[in-house]
Amino acid sequence: EADIYQTPRYLVIGTGKKITLECSQTMGHDKMYWYQQDPGMELHLIHYSYGVNSTEKGDLSSESTVSRIRTEHFPLTLESARPSHTSQYLCASSEVGTSGTYYVSYNEQFFGPGTRLTVL
Amino acid sequence: RKEVEQDPGPFNVPEGATVAFNCTYSNSASQSFFWYRQDCRKEPKLLMSVYSSGNEDGRFTAQLNRASQYISLLIRDSKLSDSATYLCVVSTGFQKLVFGTGTRLLVSP
Repeated sequence: EADIYQTPRYLVIGTGKKITLECSQTMGHDKMYWYQQDPGMELHLIHYSYGVNSTEKGDLSSESTVSRIRTEHFPLTLESARPSHTSQYLCASSEVGTSGTYYVSYNEQFFGPGTRLTVL
Repeated sequence: RKEVEQDPGPFNVPEGATVAFNCTYSNSASQSFFWYRQDCRKEPKLLMSVYSSGNEDGRFTAQLNRASQYISLLIRDSKLSDSATYLCVVSTGFQKLVFGTGTRLLVSP
């Protein structure tokens, strides 16, 4: 089992509230990611980090922000929640891949159990 | 056009059947390829990586055709526990993954 944790698992909150979704991993992975997934739809990368003090926006535009002050911790914050933010948020981490002259080796991403967010 | 396309299914098969899933990707510069499994309301988990030479893990066989930009997954002797959504995943850049919408498999007794 992967040692990556997310809290809360479920959150129902009113419009306009500030929320922080927590993600932590004990595997010492440098790379961490946040994905958003609606029911029956594909995962979309919204943020990622290469390591401490590194954060990048993903492929899907998101009003959320992230921080990476410690290797093991990658929280996601919504300053003012809206109903359009209702979704499942999945955190993941991976080790550094390797690259050779002719290839890039990509390592498995381990996912946390997710946070189901409902904004009323 | 989506970067990774899969038939969403569902594929309904009896126990013991052989079933094949296909996936196409649009970015010819893609480097790494994977199949992930996602159970209902759970997180995705890596099923297997896909190599150019093809690879097998027990009842599961994955194939990659770079020329056609096509990936396949074959499941032999299906079990009830194989019921899940199978996600085709492609790495289009270092350490970033693009997920397909997934193909749902339902194995019945």
